[in-house]
Amino acid sequence: NAGVTQTPKFQVLKTGQSMTLQCAQDMNHNSMYWYRQDPGMGLRLIYYSASEGTTDKGEVPNGYNVSRLNKREFSLRLESAAPSQTSVYFCASSEVGGINEKLFFGSGTQLSVL
Amino acid sequence: QKEVEQNSGPLSVPEGAIASLNCTYSDRGSQSFFWYRQYSGKSPELIMFIYSNGDKEDGRFTAQLNKASQYVSLLIRDSQPSDSATYLCAAFLSNFGNEKLTFGTGTRLTIIP
Repeated sequence: NAGVTQTPKFQVLKTGQSMTLQCAQDMNHNSMYWYRQDPGMGLRLIYYSASEGTTDKGEVPNGYNVSRLNKREFSLRLESAAPSQTSVYFCASSEVGGINEKLFFGSGTQLSVL
Repeated sequence: QKEVEQNSGPLSVPEGAIASLNCTYSDRGSQSFFWYRQYSGKSPELIMFIYSNGDKEDGRFTAQLNKASQYVSLLIRDSQPSDSATYLCAAFLSNFGNEKLTFGTGTRLTIIP
């Protein structure tokens, strides 16, 4: 079982470039999430999708957009990358949201914006 | 005050000893608590969750919750070098109706052979 698959694993962008991070899960989970992890800041939620067809902002949504393409796939787009977006990005999924929100994470994307 | 607070460490524990990791949270209405383990350069992995006051045991791991003190801990018995990792505490905070899962910044644990 693949679980949560993220691509790419590494990416270097120049300021102002755009890119899309792809995420897919094969566990038939309803909820999907995008987090970023920065040293000393912990994991911070960017956007989430509680179910197919819905998306909501998390703690740090500025500069990002998302698409819940279907139940399996949830993509994160940076329209105009900035150095402040240099981070490790994790996609995650959960069977349900709320108090039973048990997250399964993808392997992460190391993004550097120069 | 951070919503979920952990000592960043590093915490060094001899092999075979008990490692004790602690976490406090700000919202008295929080209902669920999770411990994730993250090896260096890898993604977080859920290892324990607890909803009720008291202890919950799973193998060498015990999660302890004290809602009155707003305190959750993770004990690792018979620590092994393979337990060396960063441990992330997370709480589902009610946050004045804006419910969300909030992570602490993690405690780095090193098991010394």
